[in-house]
Amino acid sequence: AQSVSQHNHHVILSEAASLELGCNYSYGGTVNLFWYVQYPGQHLQLLLKYFSGDPLVKGIKGFEAEFIKSKFSFNLRKPSVQWSDTAEYFCAVIYGGSQGNLIFGKGTKLSVKP
Amino acid sequence: DAGVTQSPTHLIKTRGQHVTLRCSPISGHKSVSWYQQVLGQGPQFIFQYYEKEERGRGNFPDRFSARQFPNYSSELNVNALLLGDSALYLCASSRSSNTGELFFGEGSRLTVL
Repeated sequence: AQSVSQHNHHVILSEAASLELGCNYSYGGTVNLFWYVQYPGQHLQLLLKYFSGDPLVKGIKGFEAEFIKSKFSFNLRKPSVQWSDTAEYFCAVIYGGSQGNLIFGKGTKLSVKP
Repeated sequence: DAGVTQSPTHLIKTRGQHVTLRCSPISGHKSVSWYQQVLGQGPQFIFQYYEKEERGRGNFPDRFSARQFPNYSSELNVNALLLGDSALYLCASSRSSNTGELFFGEGSRLTVL
């Protein structure tokens, strides 16, 4: 079955620490990949996306993600986190031909200590 | 510009009842999708509508139905509510039907007692 796995349920970091959140998807065909973020009390919003081309994509607020096709992975990174990055992060995938059916991972809650 | 708006924001129902959730997309967006988010899980796809036609359906029972109106707003209906239907129901809109760039509303939190 098509699925998305996020390896970490809850990550706690101090400010200025580096961040990497893992995401793996199950299918080997054409995929479009996304990271969504939900800040406390706010709605889900798009952080970055990958459709094709350069596998290293940059999003808002200094986040980036790398698509590694051979590993079916799309990990999210940020060199130096801030307290305002405290949020829940969701990896999501559209598999080829499935229209707008986004399949989400379970999410990773990031807590950044000031 | 107004974002995606959903109503009601919170509601409590009892088992066996029916519920209707409403969603207004961002102006200019013709696609509306519905997702169910259970506590501790990511959103799960229920339906997508584009230009008033159903374009996709997730793995949900027939108790779940939806429709899209000429102004692109949408309703999600759930019949014969079960305790397990308690969740946050998210509506998302987009310009086209084949994009994952979705704009989400705040959600409608349904509690079934």
